[in-house]
This record gives sequence, structure tokens and C-alpha cells, in this order.
Amino acid sequence: RKEVEQDPGPFNVPEGATVAFNCTYSNSASQSFFWYRQDCRKEPKLLMSVYSSGNEDGRFTAQLNRASQYISLLIRDSKLSDSATYLCVVNKYYGGSQGNLIFGKGTKLSVKP
Amino acid sequence: NAGVTQTPKFQVLKTGQSMTLQCAQDMNHNSMYWYRQDPGMGLRLIYYSASEGTTDKGEVPNGYNVSRLNKREFSLRLESAAPSQTSVYFCASSEGRNEQYFGPGTRLTVT
Repeated sequence: RKEVEQDPGPFNVPEGATVAFNCTYSNSASQSFFWYRQDCRKEPKLLMSVYSSGNEDGRFTAQLNRASQYISLLIRDSKLSDSATYLCVVNKYYGGSQGNLIFGKGTKLSVKP
Repeated sequence: NAGVTQTPKFQVLKTGQSMTLQCAQDMNHNSMYWYRQDPGMGLRLIYYSASEGTTDKGEVPNGYNVSRLNKREFSLRLESAAPSQTSVYFCASSEGRNEQYFGPGTRLTVT
């Protein structure tokens, strides 16, 4: 299994739709999880951290399933401005210490009018 | 707060030329990173510096060197550029091994 795996998409959805992205990770000892957003020709920007209990930020909900090593991001009421690539990010954890972040290749979202 | 800044924004080099990419952060972060991003490959870590005075290789260090000049600045040097180093280079910083904050990137073309 790849360290962090995402469906590359693209996901083409109409405005107002609900869309879900999934991500799996290989290191069961990973401790930190994030979703980043990257607009075309721009740098990645932190969208939200992902906590064990799940967390919500406005229209965005992130969930973590440690048993299945699976992370999800749900976007409700999609806006045109949500069009971007969404990167799943997990930290390496080995030898009892936290390692660097591993970035998935991203899932591209295109929201159409 | 400017966050993470990078210079230059764009650069074209001929094969064999050298150059240094500059990165600075004003968030007082201990850790800094250099990534390259190629189509279909995602972000790949070149080098990182966990704290001032230390540097370590990442996933793709060959052909690059780095210098952690002080807590704020982390530079990436290409000694003899090759076409395979055509890429977008991002610098990032973080407090510990937590979420990272990225600079705007440098688009490098090697002909």
C-alpha cells in the first residue's frame, strides 16, 4: 500500500452539491492528519486538521477512522470557489517518534455553475 | 506577517548552471523544508531542517544542497542544473512536526 493514497479525480460537481473525498494511509502509528487545499499554480494551504472524534469547519467535515486507516473530507453546498486540488496529509511515525508529513497526490475538484 | 517568502518566483537556467533558491519565514518556526512538485508526482521532500544548525536528506536529495543560515532562512542550491530538475519548488516551515506553512513557490525551468 502507498503511504498516502487518494483518488486523483477529477470530481466534477454542480454548485450546491455535496462531495466526499477519501484517503487511506499505510502507517498505523501515524498521529497527525490534515487536509490541505491547493489552487492551480499556487502553494498548498492548510484547510483543516483531522481529529479522532471528527471535526467540522463550516461546510467542511473531516473524519478519521484509525481502525481502517482512512480519512475523509466532506464538502457540503459546494461553491465555485471550492474548485481546487485537495491533499490528504499524514505524518510518518516510526521508532517512537513523529516524523515528517507525507502528502498525498491530491484529488482535483471542479465545481460547475 | 509575511509568513514564508521565496525568491525568485521564476527562473530559467541552462544545463550546468548553478543557482540558489532563497526562503525565509517570520513565524519563528524551528523546522523548515524544501519540496519539489511535478505533475502526477505530488510533493516530494528534498531536504529538511528540524532546527537551526541541522539538515537532513528527504526523499529526493540528489543534485541539491541546503544551508540553514539562521532560524529564519533556509536556502536550496543546485550546483549543476539538469533538465530533470525542472519543477516547482516550495519551501515550508512548521513548529515541530506539525502542520506546515508554504511559500508561494519558485518555477524553475532548465533547458
